[in-house]
Amino acid sequence: GQNIDQPTEMTATEGAIVQINCTYQTSGFNGLFWYQQHAGEAPTFLSYNVLDGLEEKGRFSSFLSRSKGYSYLLLKELQMKDSASYLCAVRDETDSWGKLQFGAGTQVVVTP
Amino acid sequence: GAVVSQHPSWVICKSGTSVKIECRSLDFQATTMFWYRQFPKQSLMLMATSNEGSKATYEQGVEKDKFLINHASLTLSTLTVTSAHPEDSSFYICSARGRGRGYGYTFGSGTRLTVV
Repeated sequence: GQNIDQPTEMTATEGAIVQINCTYQTSGFNGLFWYQQHAGEAPTFLSYNVLDGLEEKGRFSSFLSRSKGYSYLLLKELQMKDSASYLCAVRDETDSWGKLQFGAGTQVVVTP
Repeated sequence: GAVVSQHPSWVICKSGTSVKIECRSLDFQATTMFWYRQFPKQSLMLMATSNEGSKATYEQGVEKDKFLINHASLTLSTLTVTSAHPEDSSFYICSARGRGRGYGYTFGSGTRLTVV
């Protein structure tokens, strides 16, 4: 089974940096995803990590440590439009289908 | 890029009726489809996984007779909520994996179901 934990809410000001942590316990781990979701909309893919280390993509970076069951998403130069829920999702390949199990999501509020 | 078209975007139905939600992959073959449900301010909860031509596998606690999933072709999967009740009101969303799509998952746009 999965146990994916991330903070419920984080607040930061425009232009600042926010780091969203995610810890997980899972069998059949084969990758960790970060998604952004605005209310009532589908999740939007942000990043994917399957090996340890940092992946950088513009203002967003994601880090993975498989031995620690830990990942973080770093959002730099925050903009108002970054206010959204950020979902950590772990892929489980136990049954070879690659199910994605999601954490509860972190609501990021960006203030002026 | 890969697109999954999900319909309807929203639906209101009377208690006791059935509702069908469709997800179509427009430019790739969706070998595996995942169906999620999301209640307000909560995360996506996996309901079931379906592979083309096979019976769906349901997550623990999900009633397979209530949530009927059909994955008859590589481009179409449907979720039918049977005998819907107000507690079934939720946001339903599909996600597809396909051949040649690498590690990626393509999400539909979601269906807001309200049962009155």
